[in-house]
Amino acid sequence: ETGVTQSPTHLIKTRGQQVTLRCSSQSGHNTVSWYQQALGQGPQFIFQYYREEENGRGNFPPRFSGLQFPNYSSELNVNALELDDSALYLCASSQGTSGGAENEQYFGPGTRLTVT
Amino acid sequence: KNQVEQSPQSLIILEGKNCTLQCNYTVSPFSNLRWYKQDTGRGPVSLTIMTFSENTKSNGRYTATLDADTKQSSLHITASQLSDSASYICVVFYGGATNKLIFGTGTLLAVQP
Repeated sequence: ETGVTQSPTHLIKTRGQQVTLRCSSQSGHNTVSWYQQALGQGPQFIFQYYREEENGRGNFPPRFSGLQFPNYSSELNVNALELDDSALYLCASSQGTSGGAENEQYFGPGTRLTVT
Repeated sequence: KNQVEQSPQSLIILEGKNCTLQCNYTVSPFSNLRWYKQDTGRGPVSLTIMTFSENTKSNGRYTATLDADTKQSSLHITASQLSDSASYICVVFYGGATNKLIFGTGTLLAVQP
């Protein structure tokens, strides 16, 4: 176990609805990254939060938004859900953003979102 | 264009056998390369991290190699076990930041008794 937790485990929503996913980072980590993993694909980087500020964003539309709290936990919000948003959403926590080998990313178990 | 390609896409081996997974990348500037194991429906778990100057790194029955000149990495699994059945993902970090990374699409390994 990595110490990174995500909730809920599974979620079913209908097209057009909004969803909020939550991630608690590992103790001592100040950086949270979010990824979308479609079935049979590798994870795709959505965005990263470092000390409550967005610190980089992948190729995702603005209806994907996030938040990081003072305790470094984080939320991923998706508005106007589309069928293609169905995926496993992973968060990963790390200490710092230097990208060196010491900044290991620890992944949570993921939230499986199904949009019908 | 920054890319990470893995081969084979899937692999079936018998328990106790060895196997080698490949990762080729065209990412610059290279920071480090990581191999992850991902069980179905779970988050990835780190196996090895390799920087530019490292050629080989082992973690139990897993041994990763890196050739920074040819931009190739391999993950060798020795004496496979049924629990090794998973997707193995190669991730390349570049530009010296944790938000600059590219995931390969993974190799799905099935170990059969």
